[in-house]
Amino acid sequence: DAGITQSPRHKVTETGTPVTLRCHQTENHRYMYWYRQDPGHGLRLIHYSYGVKDTDKGEVSDGYSVSRSKTEDFLLTLESATSSQTSVYFCAITWTENTEAFFGQGTRLTVV
Amino acid sequence: GIQVEQSPPDLILQEGANSTLRCNFSDSVNNLQWFHQNPWGQLINLFYIPSGTKQNGRLSATTVATERYSLLYISSSQTTDSGVYFCAVERDGGFKTIFGAGTRLFVKA
Repeated sequence: DAGITQSPRHKVTETGTPVTLRCHQTENHRYMYWYRQDPGHGLRLIHYSYGVKDTDKGEVSDGYSVSRSKTEDFLLTLESATSSQTSVYFCAITWTENTEAFFGQGTRLTVV
Repeated sequence: GIQVEQSPPDLILQEGANSTLRCNFSDSVNNLQWFHQNPWGQLINLFYIPSGTKQNGRLSATTVATERYSLLYISSSQTTDSGVYFCAVERDGGFKTIFGAGTRLFVKA
């Protein structure tokens, strides 16, 4: 298994509170990604990073921010959680562009 | 943007049967990957296959990039093959991929 750890694995939070999800990798891969998975939508890209301090938006980035201060850590922050952000969040890594991707085990977030 | 369609959406097989899953995409792509999401939610990379044919045990995949489709073959299916199979394509570099909605497979013992 690729060394990807997501934390927490489960979280319930209240509307309006800030939430940070962490993705930690031990593979020294350059690229890291955050996806959300919702019924009927498959997986959709939120943000990605192509190096330390280098990030960009995906297709569903509104309401989310990211940071990458070290190669191994990619943080996803919901500044003020809403019920529409209830989802399963997956982190992925790739070594370079156009190489196979490996996923973390996912974080189930519920916003009540 | 690029559209990815997978078929069939749902599939029920008897253990030992063979099946073919299809992924159509609407534009040229740089890469294509197949993933299996098991019943516990874990996503496993099956194939990185922008073109050509690859095989891994009972699974094989073929991508015909010029005709914009990919096929995933499962032979002698087992109950552990159950789950959702996703096709994901990318055209702009990196892993800024577009996922299909998936094919949900259930293999009966």
